Amino acid sequence: EAGVAQSPRYKIIEKRQSVAFWCNPISGHATLYWYQQILGQGPKLLIQFQNNGVVDDSQLPKDRFSAERLKGVDSTLKIQPAKLEDSAVYLCASNRGQNEQYFGPGTRLTVT
Amino acid sequence: GDSVTQMEGPVTLSEEAFLTINCTYTATGYPSLFWYVQYPGEGLQLLLKATKADDKGSNKGFEATYRKETTSFHLEKGSVQVSDSAVYFCALTRGSARQLTFGSGTQLTVLP
Repeated sequence: EAGVAQSPRYKIIEKRQSVAFWCNPISGHATLYWYQQILGQGPKLLIQFQNNGVVDDSQLPKDRFSAERLKGVDSTLKIQPAKLEDSAVYLCASNRGQNEQYFGPGTRLTVT
Repeated sequence: GDSVTQMEGPVTLSEEAFLTINCTYTATGYPSLFWYVQYPGEGLQLLLKATKADDKGSNKGFEATYRKETTSFHLEKGSVQVSDSAVYFCALTRGSARQLTFGSGTQLTVLP
């Protein structure tokens, strides 16, 4: 079974630029999560999708972050405009029902 | 809100030494508890879990017991190997949304 795929693996941008990350969850996994992991900290949930609907986006900075999962499969997370404090690893995870979450390798974003 | 507090790192041990990484949590109700591991350059992987009080999770020689009276879920291994070098995260979920709340992580380095 293929794992959670994310791209790109690394991205360097200047502040005020925009960036987008892509996630392809494991086939059949209805729930998809985006986490932000700042260096030296544990991952923090940004948004949770169930199929193509948002379950929880209470911790998503909506003035600059947006996410979508239009067909209930792939998802895209966007930052516009980026700030220095957005430098982090962005992790995507998926699961089926109440089961274990499977994580992708993450996208490491550096904002200069 | 829910929170997880982990032992500060980094931790450096010699091969075959005994490992303990402390984890305590704050949550209402009855959370499920997890240990995740992140090897260098890889995504988060579930190491073990426990879903109710007094449950013991175990995997690859690692163990942790869900202690509700002390709100703890300490990770232990009797004899660590160089290949155990990684970052270890304690986490919990609560409720139907199954969102993970992570601790800050503990970096473990095992020397030959």
